[in-house]
Order: sequence, then structure tokens, then C-alpha cells
Amino acid sequence: DADVTQTPRNRITKTGKRIMLECSQTKGHDRMYWYRQDPGLGLRLIYYSFDVKDINKGEISDGYSVSRQAQAKFSLSLESAIPNQTALYFCATSVGGALTYNEQFFGPGTRLTVL
Amino acid sequence: ELKVEQNPLFLSMQEGKNYTIYCNYSTTSDRLYWYRQDPGKSLESLFVLLSNGAVKQEGRLMASLDTKARLSTLHITAAVHDLSATYFCAPEMDSNYQLIWGAGTKLIIKP
Repeated sequence: DADVTQTPRNRITKTGKRIMLECSQTKGHDRMYWYRQDPGLGLRLIYYSFDVKDINKGEISDGYSVSRQAQAKFSLSLESAIPNQTALYFCATSVGGALTYNEQFFGPGTRLTVL
Repeated sequence: ELKVEQNPLFLSMQEGKNYTIYCNYSTTSDRLYWYRQDPGKSLESLFVLLSNGAVKQEGRLMASLDTKARLSTLHITAAVHDLSATYFCAPEMDSNYQLIWGAGTKLIIKP
């Protein structure tokens, strides 16, 4: 079984709709991240969470919100989807702790299309 | 703000050849990560470089880190078709442990 899972894997929606993308992990990691990937732009950080009570905005948080329901679950919401939010979204995890390095492990991705 | 530049962004090469991908970054960072992404797939961790002078090798790939020059390299030796993928470097910011991603180098290796 995959250590980091994302649902749904593909989603097509319309402008103005509310969308939730979910991420679950069985790695026991404290830190979780949401990224979006656009062609030629690498990955851009949307939100990250170092533990259940710690949520931080990333580089491109406008138009997005998150919820860390448990150590293993981190959800990303688009309150009112717009076409330029069409992208590939990745969830990632890392161990956490001051003495560890930050190697991140990625889920399979969710391809979101906003019409 | 930490900026990352990968060079080249696209590389088409023949099997059997050697080549190097460069990753330059703009501010102090002691840790850097290399990832591979196949088309339509997720990102897979390749190398974790944790200090100046670190060198890691796996098969035909070798990565190195020079924190003083703010440069990491990914060297491909005797390329094979299976290495075709997009490769990303990501230095880690000292201040908040975030990874800052390069745009990726798309590598195509022709038989």
C-alpha cells in the first residue's frame, strides 16, 4: 500500500465550485505539505503544517485553505475554484523535528481541471 | 528570498554519453535534495545532500554539493534510456526548513 495517498486522483469541476482534495499518510510523519505543479514552473508551496496545531501559508496560498484533521490527514480546499487553479496538486510529508533533515515524500498527485 | 536556477531546462542526448545538470541557488543553504519525476507521475527522492562537499552516487547518477559556491550538480554517466525523466533540485532554506524548487530539467535520452 502507498504511504501517501491522495483523493481524488482526477477531478473536473466548474468555476465557482468548492473543491476539497484529501491527503492521508501512513508514514507517521509530523510534517505535511500541499504543492501545485504547473508546466515549466516546478513546484510551488501552497500550505504546510508541522503538526496538527501548526498551519502555515506558503508561497501561493491565496484562494486556498487547509485543514489538518489528524497527524495523518491534511486536506486542501478551493473555496471558489477558478480556471487558473487548473494544475497538478501534490501532497508531501516529512519526518519533522529540529535534528532531522527535510526529505519529502510525495503522494501520487491530483489532476484538477477547472472549466 | 531563495531562488533556484537549473541549467539546462531541457536536454536531449544519446545513450552512452555523459552530461551534467547544474543547480545554482541564491542564498545560504547547507542541504539540498534531488528528485526525479516521470511523465504524469509523482516525485521520487534521489539524493539527499546534507553538507558542503557531500557526494552521493546511485548507479549512473552522481550528485554533489558545494555550499560555498551555492551549486549542486547531477552527473549522468553513460546515459541509458531509462534515465529519461525530469530532474528537480531543491535546496532547503536554513530559516524555516522549506524546500525551494528549481523549474526542473527535462532529460530525453535517445537510443
